[in-house]
Amino acid sequence: QSALTQPPSASGSPGQSVTISCTGTSSDVGGYSSVSWFQQNPGKAPKLMIYEVNKRPSGVPDRFSGSKSGNTASLTVSGLQAEDEADYYCSSYAGTDNLGVFGGGTKLTVL
Amino acid sequence: EVQLVQSGAEVKKSGESLKISCKASGYSFSSDWIGWVRQMPGKGLAWMGIIYPADSDTRYSPSLQGQVTISADKSSSTAYLQWSSLRASDTAMYYCARPNVIRGGITRVDYWGQGTPVTVSS
Repeated sequence: QSALTQPPSASGSPGQSVTISCTGTSSDVGGYSSVSWFQQNPGKAPKLMIYEVNKRPSGVPDRFSGSKSGNTASLTVSGLQAEDEADYYCSSYAGTDNLGVFGGGTKLTVL
Repeated sequence: EVQLVQSGAEVKKSGESLKISCKASGYSFSSDWIGWVRQMPGKGLAWMGIIYPADSDTRYSPSLQGQVTISADKSSSTAYLQWSSLRASDTAMYYCARPNVIRGGITRVDYWGQGTPVTVSS
């Protein structure tokens, strides 16, 4: 199973919005509504930010939102804050008896 | 509160064996899948495999089948990841995680352990 495709880097100034894409195929992203996004700070475990394309776990700011169109999912961070600087990974359900697939990760820099 | 607490950092030599652990609490260990994710230095995340402790049903990533063994001890609510002969390429951070699984596929991951760094020298 190939990794989902994410841009290696993204950036924005405080207060701006930034969108990170995650492109897969009809066998994963395009075929199901189980796309997740994780935030990972250096030396820390990933943290779930978005699940089922656009749902936020309790405690995640509503500045984080998710969407999907066809085989591409997107994470948008609005009102960027310095604390949002981190690596972001997408993942997708990929069908029966398939462990699923992650994206390669995007390093978000707050300028 | 769900917690996954992993064993500490390991430094090993090629050819040595290793077993790392992940102790779960705050939920019914036997009734939920638990698994392992590898993150090689400077790289992304990749599932290694998952296990259902109630019946030890284990699913491995096709690329890692036979290279590692995943097990679970219901009596101590602990999951394990084991190597019989380490290679330098096994150097990575290993996370245990509790995935939500539907029809054998992972839909999302709510809980993660803190990670166990493994360094293998040649």
